[in-house]
Amino acid sequence: EAGVAQSPRYKIIEKRQSVAFWCNPISGHATLYWYQQILGQGPKLLIQFQNNGVVDDSQLPKDRFSAERLKGVDSTLKIQPAKLEDSAVYLCASSQDSGTDTQYFGPGTRLTVL
Amino acid sequence: AQKVTQAQTEISVVEKEDVTLDCVYETRDTTYYLFWYKQPPSGELVFLIRRNSFDEQNEISGRYSWNFQKSTSSFNFTITASQVVDSAVYFCALSEWGGKLIFGQGTELSVKP
Repeated sequence: EAGVAQSPRYKIIEKRQSVAFWCNPISGHATLYWYQQILGQGPKLLIQFQNNGVVDDSQLPKDRFSAERLKGVDSTLKIQPAKLEDSAVYLCASSQDSGTDTQYFGPGTRLTVL
Repeated sequence: AQKVTQAQTEISVVEKEDVTLDCVYETRDTTYYLFWYKQPPSGELVFLIRRNSFDEQNEISGRYSWNFQKSTSSFNFTITASQVVDSAVYFCALSEWGGKLIFGQGTELSVKP
């Protein structure tokens, strides 16, 4: 069974530019998560989708970050405009259902903002 | 508020030594789940174990074992006879109903030959 796919793996941009990350969850998984992991820290949830609806986006900086999950499968996370402090690894995870199912993570996208 | 503390930032051992990674958590809920993930240098988080709050039985999987003690709010992870391939950052995480994972800061384990 294929795991969670993410692209690109690496991205370098200048501050104030925009960037988008893509995630394809494990087939059949209803719940999709985006986490931000700053160097030396544990991942922190940005947004959680159940099918194509948002369950939790309380930690998403909505003035610059947006995310969507059209058709309840793939998801895109966008940053516009990027700031230096957005440099981090962006991890996508999926689980069969929400609640307490195990989350499986993709390889992540390492973003560097110069 | 929920919180996970991994007090050991870095641990260095020599191959074949046993090593224990500590995890202490805080939650007000009676129903919750605890996890351990491994993050090798490649960056992907690899799932190791999931344990619910009603199951305090210790678990062993090969060289890995986990000790869950509700009385001390701890969920410690032991690697027996460590190997160089065990070198990674290990994260303990807590989940209450809803799915959101609260991660600790991680413990970087270095196993030297």
